Amino acid sequence: DAGITQSPRYKITETGRQVTLMCHQTWSHSYMFWYRQDLGHGLRLIYYSAAADITDKGEVPDGYVVSRSKTENFPLTLESATRSQTSVYFCASSVDFGDRGSNQPQHFGDGTRLSIL
Amino acid sequence: AQKITQTQPGMFVQEKEAVTLDCTYDTSDPSYGLFWYKQPSSGEMIFLIYQGSYDQQNATEGRYSLNFQKARKSANLVISASQLGDSAMYFCAMRGLSNFGNEKLTFGTGTRLTIIP
Repeated sequence: DAGITQSPRYKITETGRQVTLMCHQTWSHSYMFWYRQDLGHGLRLIYYSAAADITDKGEVPDGYVVSRSKTENFPLTLESATRSQTSVYFCASSVDFGDRGSNQPQHFGDGTRLSIL
Repeated sequence: AQKITQTQPGMFVQEKEAVTLDCTYDTSDPSYGLFWYKQPSSGEMIFLIYQGSYDQQNATEGRYSLNFQKARKSANLVISASQLGDSAMYFCAMRGLSNFGNEKLTFGTGTRLTIIP
């Protein structure tokens, strides 16, 4: 089915472990984003990508690494997980609004609930 | 820098009544777009409505409308004839439109709306 999918939906790991969250979209959207959602903070941007091999930091990038070798995939890696990274992580994608207009929204995956013990 | 403020952490509204969710914003960008998203208890992010800063009319989408007051920098979401299924978290978000490739969204902290039967 077309859309944006995140995996896993739930993950429990321990501090110091490396963990990778996957994101895959089938729309060929040029832009992809990673957000974390925490109570009292709304959604905060971690990293984003304008195209394959082009990534940039968002508001809260420390402790995270991203890559985008293919347009459809945008994995997020926590290299050495800490308890403060316990959160719900959302991946999103969008077209370049220059292509289809400024009213194009970001489309979100269903999220990954990550718990770090 | 952009900032979104949602001052109502929670609201309780009687079914079938109209409800207004507040959103104020701050930006130095002369051209920008405002979005509202709904997040039900199941967790997904659902796009509701968009307002561009230079749109002549307030946006409407079915029971959703946007009370956009540019001089006051507010973009309140109005839901008419509320239904039990409207119970959810609602997020206001914005992005600047002046810079090429400025696709990033800045989110508010959200308002949790509960519809009372």
